[in-house]
Amino acid sequence: NAGVTQTPKFQVLKTGQSMTLQCAQDMNHNSMYWYRQDPGMGLRLIYYSASEGTTDKGEVPNGYNVSRLNKREFSLRLESAAPSQTSVYFCASSGNRVPEAFFGQGTRLTVV
Amino acid sequence: AQSVTQPDIHITVSEGASLELRCNYSYGATPYLFWYVQSPGQGLQLLLKYFSGDTLVQGIKGFEAEFKRSQSSFNLRKPSVHWSDAAEYVCAVSRGYSTLTFGKGTMLLVSP
Repeated sequence: NAGVTQTPKFQVLKTGQSMTLQCAQDMNHNSMYWYRQDPGMGLRLIYYSASEGTTDKGEVPNGYNVSRLNKREFSLRLESAAPSQTSVYFCASSGNRVPEAFFGQGTRLTVV
Repeated sequence: AQSVTQPDIHITVSEGASLELRCNYSYGATPYLFWYVQSPGQGLQLLLKYFSGDTLVQGIKGFEAEFKRSQSSFNLRKPSVHWSDAAEYVCAVSRGYSTLTFGKGTMLLVSP
């Protein structure tokens, strides 16, 4: 019973490098989300996808792109990483009739 | 826009003592309310939720929360804290099936 799976768990990037964070859920949820968590800031929404084929910006979308590949998978891409993107990234999903979100284990990203 | 305030950044409680973590929200109508717990290096786990009905809700791990409309509050309580309860506790709110807005979290420390 995997729930929400994120890869990788840890990553170190150099400034200007690109990478894609992967997320998959096996709960048949329609909605998926990407958050970042920074000390003293709480969780902030980067992008979300209410259904397959749709994506919308959240509170802090600059510097990121997303792809809802299919109902299960929602990826987050950093095209040119910056030190300000050092953070812990969480993917989450939620079902049709309940707004509660289920979270992955997180990806700790450091940009040097 | 809805917002969530958790006034206490850190709280220290003696093992066996009671616990109350505060959460206040700002929203015109009754939102959906949630408490999550996050252990170090882990994702967020749902403790309990309130959608409607009985204002006292029971969750996992012996936690409960009470919704008070007049105070716009949804405080989390536990009668007797165990050392394993040390973690970060995050309150969240959503308007219907929209995205969640999170508080900045309260770190619970448990002293022997």
